[in-house]
Amino acid sequence: GIQVEQSPPDLILQEGANSTLRCNFSDSVNNLQWFHQNPWGQLINLFYIPSGTKQNGRLSATTVATERYSLLYISSSQTTDSGVYFCAAKTLTGANNLFFGTGTRLTVIP
Amino acid sequence: SQTIHQWPATLVQPVGSPLSLECTVEGTSNPNLYWYRQAAGRGLQLLFYSVGIGQISSEVPQNLSASRPQDRQFILSSKKLLLSDSGFYLCAWRSDSNQPQHFGDGTRLSIL
Repeated sequence: GIQVEQSPPDLILQEGANSTLRCNFSDSVNNLQWFHQNPWGQLINLFYIPSGTKQNGRLSATTVATERYSLLYISSSQTTDSGVYFCAAKTLTGANNLFFGTGTRLTVIP
Repeated sequence: SQTIHQWPATLVQPVGSPLSLECTVEGTSNPNLYWYRQAAGRGLQLLFYSVGIGQISSEVPQNLSASRPQDRQFILSSKKLLLSDSGFYLCAWRSDSNQPQHFGDGTRLSIL
């Protein structure tokens, strides 16, 4: 299946700082999603973004499908942004499921 | 609107006991359904998916099985649990392969 790599694996930020999380994938995709897993384990959909750019409040994401990467931007980070951020992708052909990266663990300190 | 429910939220079971986790999706018809497992501190691993009633695809050989007795119901089972079955189990759905996947709140399973 497709390989999904995320970086950095861990990130510690001061409250108010900005950050960029990266997701590289090894094949063409028709589905790419960013999720936030909170401390209770819930996986929250952030973006469905197989291509282009989307923004939702302090978060935005960009996927450059031709270069096989996606970026998640977090601006003015808050302590509630802490958790693990996952990128997941599905290929144009092949398996009917998402392949997950290993995540970026974000800790925002006050 | 569509909703997905998983239960129980937490489960503690002895080694060798059976397992049944249930996932139900409301507000959509013929969804694609998925079971994932997440080991502590790691990413999600797909266990099973289903594109329709009675249709189950297994991604990884496991001590587990899945069934879809109704369009909106997806069940994860085991006849005899192993210690290695501990983890966080998540059910997910989507309307078709080009739509986003949505997750339930998960079941935290501990095997003693």
